[in-house]
Amino acid sequence: DAGITQSPRHKVTETGTPVTLRCHQTENHRYMYWYRQDPGHGLRLIHYSYGVKDTDKGEVSDGYSVSRSKTEDFLLTLESATSSQTSVYFCATSKNGQTRDGYTFGSGTRLTVV
Amino acid sequence: QQQVKQSPQSLIVQKGGISIINCAYENTAFDYFPWYQQFPGKGPALLIAIRPDVSEKKEGRFTISFNKSAKQFSLHIMDSQPGDSATYFCAASETRNAGNMLTFGGGTRLMVKP
Repeated sequence: DAGITQSPRHKVTETGTPVTLRCHQTENHRYMYWYRQDPGHGLRLIHYSYGVKDTDKGEVSDGYSVSRSKTEDFLLTLESATSSQTSVYFCATSKNGQTRDGYTFGSGTRLTVV
Repeated sequence: QQQVKQSPQSLIVQKGGISIINCAYENTAFDYFPWYQQFPGKGPALLIAIRPDVSEKKEGRFTISFNKSAKQFSLHIMDSQPGDSATYFCAASETRNAGNMLTFGGGTRLMVKP
């Protein structure tokens, strides 16, 4: 995990407030991903990026937006947080988008929406 | 619709026993099947992976068995140790020009009792 830093590690926020989670990598990997982890659902892809300013939606993108202005930073924003977005959020990177190279995951951000 | 189904959700094994986790997939275009291991407070990490042209892959105490016709694959942990206690995720991906995406199973929480 040393090459990927997620911040904050824990956050409690109120329903309706905007929240931004940050992922910072020092791997110089082209691809970056945001996943959410919920019991019984495993890891589900929210959004991903295949380069600076190049992003696309995953399977659970509703209510989330992302931005990538630099290779090393990938931001996930919850425009108006809801209780259903309480989850553990993981950022991952991949050198060239090839899964056989393995994804490198950060240590996660635990978000609680009250 | 969950494309990769994993069972059981939780598993308790005695030290020295065999842990078996099963996964089934639906998309016949999947051509890469990794397993990820996650310790508490950490992100998942690649453990072992297999491609569908082989029926078994072994790395130390960890073995993947793959049944292409049944669209199933499983992880066997031989001589299970307390240090193997973690959450295990199976995953699958298909090769695409725009980069591969991993689809994860729901996860199995393994506890190995001393």
